[in-house]
Amino acid sequence: EADIYQTPRYLVIGTGKKITLECSQTMGHDKMYWYQQDPGMELHLIHYSYGVNSTEKGDLSSESTVSRIRTEHFPLTLESARPSHTSQYLCASAPATGNTEAFFGQGTRLTVV
Amino acid sequence: DQQVKQNSPSLSVQEGRISILNCDYTNSMFDYFLWYKKYPAEGPTFLISISSIKDKNEDGRFTVFLNKSAKHLSLHIVPSQPGDSAVYFCAAKGGTSGTYKYIFGTGTRLKVLA
Repeated sequence: EADIYQTPRYLVIGTGKKITLECSQTMGHDKMYWYQQDPGMELHLIHYSYGVNSTEKGDLSSESTVSRIRTEHFPLTLESARPSHTSQYLCASAPATGNTEAFFGQGTRLTVV
Repeated sequence: DQQVKQNSPSLSVQEGRISILNCDYTNSMFDYFLWYKKYPAEGPTFLISISSIKDKNEDGRFTVFLNKSAKHLSLHIVPSQPGDSAVYFCAAKGGTSGTYKYIFGTGTRLKVLA
């Protein structure tokens, strides 16, 4: 069983609020990823990190930001939530090298009203 | 530009029959391919994978086939069970050794009818 955790699982928040989605893994993985997924759509990569102090923007432009101060922790922050941010946010991690799968957390379903 | 494509958004199959889910990709540099299963409001769970040096990998009821020349892979589930009903995502691993990313298709919703 994968040891990667996301909190909260569900969040309903008002427009303009600042929110942080938490993601932690206990597998010591260097690589971590944030994906955004809407129903019927692919998982869009919005942020990724190859290790501590490394962050990159993904293929889909996002108004969110991320940080990687510790190997195990990769939080995503929205400074001012908008209804267009309503989506499911999925965090994943993978080892530094080798052909292996990415392990996903349970996801955060965000609704901005 | 979508690099991993799943052209069938949905598929219905009778219990006990074979389910075949298809996936096409455009980048010949992809070297590792994966299938994930996803339920609503949950994260994807890994099912099976295949390296680009192979053309088949089998794990129980699940078999993945890779046709590199056609840039096509497929997932076969035999026999299909009602518990297999979920959305299935095809993914490809691309990039250099230290900087790889996982790129996903749009998913195929499989419904197995009892």
